[in-house]
This record gives sequence, structure tokens and C-alpha cells, in this order.
Amino acid sequence: DAGITQSPRHKVTETGTPVTLRCHQTENHRYMYWYRQDPGHGLRLIHYSYGVKDTDKGEVSDGYSVSRSKTEDFLLTLESATSSQTSVYFCAISEARPSSLGQETQYFGPGTRLLVL
Amino acid sequence: GQQVMQIPQYQHVQEGEDFTTYCNSSTTLSNIQWYKQRPGGHPVFLIQLVKSGEVKKQKRLTFQFGEAKKNSSLHITATQTTDVGTYFCASTFLSYSGAGSYQLTFGKGTKLSVIP
Repeated sequence: DAGITQSPRHKVTETGTPVTLRCHQTENHRYMYWYRQDPGHGLRLIHYSYGVKDTDKGEVSDGYSVSRSKTEDFLLTLESATSSQTSVYFCAISEARPSSLGQETQYFGPGTRLLVL
Repeated sequence: GQQVMQIPQYQHVQEGEDFTTYCNSSTTLSNIQWYKQRPGGHPVFLIQLVKSGEVKKQKRLTFQFGEAKKNSSLHITATQTTDVGTYFCASTFLSYSGAGSYQLTFGKGTKLSVIP
């Protein structure tokens, strides 16, 4: 498995509180991604980063912000958590960027289970 | 929208039976990837197909990309309990943000259960 860790692995929080999830990689890959996984929806891209301080929105970015101040760390913040953000969050990394030619392997972290009450 | 549709959503098979999951798109795909996620685990990349009609094999797994590049399939011969999990197809599409970059978009997956 690629060197990707996510913290915390499990979190229970209350509606309206801020939450920050951390993804840390030791592979020195340039590209990093945050996905959420919900039953019946598969994996949906929230935000991604193509380098330090270079981020962009994915399919389901509303209510989320990200930051990447170092190559190895990609943070996902829920400014004011809502029950609809209860999900499993996966971080992923890749050496190359997605293109019309495809996507070299994305390596996924172990995930963070977030419950918003 | 930019999406790939997977069928079936669930499949229960007896150990030793074959299994197939399909991935379809209304538009021509430039590529297709397949991932496997074990229960409680994270998605793991299996393979990428880019050529029309391409067929690739990994032991008991056969991956196919349609001639028109609008569909793909994953076939498992003689399933084993180790095959249990959810299989996702994915493809790259232009970014939702309109930035001109590409993003990987996943299907909703097919959950495979194998009865011993």
C-alpha cells in the first residue's frame, strides 16, 4: 500500500461545528484528492490539488474547503458540519494528473468515517 | 452529465460461478479504469483500458473495452470468497469547475457477494 494516512479515522461531531480531516502522504506525489463515499452514490470528488497552494473544486464541493501548504499534507475542512456530510471520506494521491488519455493509478488512503449528529 | 452507469448494483453468486459487471456511458469514453474495494477497505486500482476493443486479463479477471468505447465489462471466472467486494469503473472527464483539467469520475459500483 502507498504511504497514505488519514486522521482521524473516526469522528463523531455535532451539527454546526467545524471539522478538519487530514491526509498525509510519504510518496511525494504531486496530485491529491478528497472523495466522499455514500451508499448508492459511489465515490464523488470533493476537491483536488495539483500542487502546493493549487486546488480546485470537484463534483460535490459545496460546504467544503481545502488547503495544501506542503506537498505531503492535504486538509479538508467542513466549516459548519451538517448531517448530510455524514459519510466516509477518502483521500487519494497520484503521480500524474488525470487527462483525456486516462489516469494513472490513484492510491487511496484508509478513509475517515464521519458522523454528524 | 458526466457519468458512467454500472449494472447490476448487487450480485450474489455461488462460489465457483462466474460474475460479470458492466459499465456504460451515453458518450464515447477515452479510457476506463476498474477498482476493487473490499468490505471496510479502500478502493484499489485494478487496470486501465484505453483502446477500442481492448481485452486484458489478470488471472481469473477479464476486462474488456467496447468497440465503440461506450461500455466496458469485468468478468470473473469461477468466483472465490476472496473476490467479495465492490467493483467500480471510472473514467476521466473534463473538470466540473470548467478549468480545462480532467477529473476521474466513478460509477456507483457493483457489490459482489459470494456464497461459500
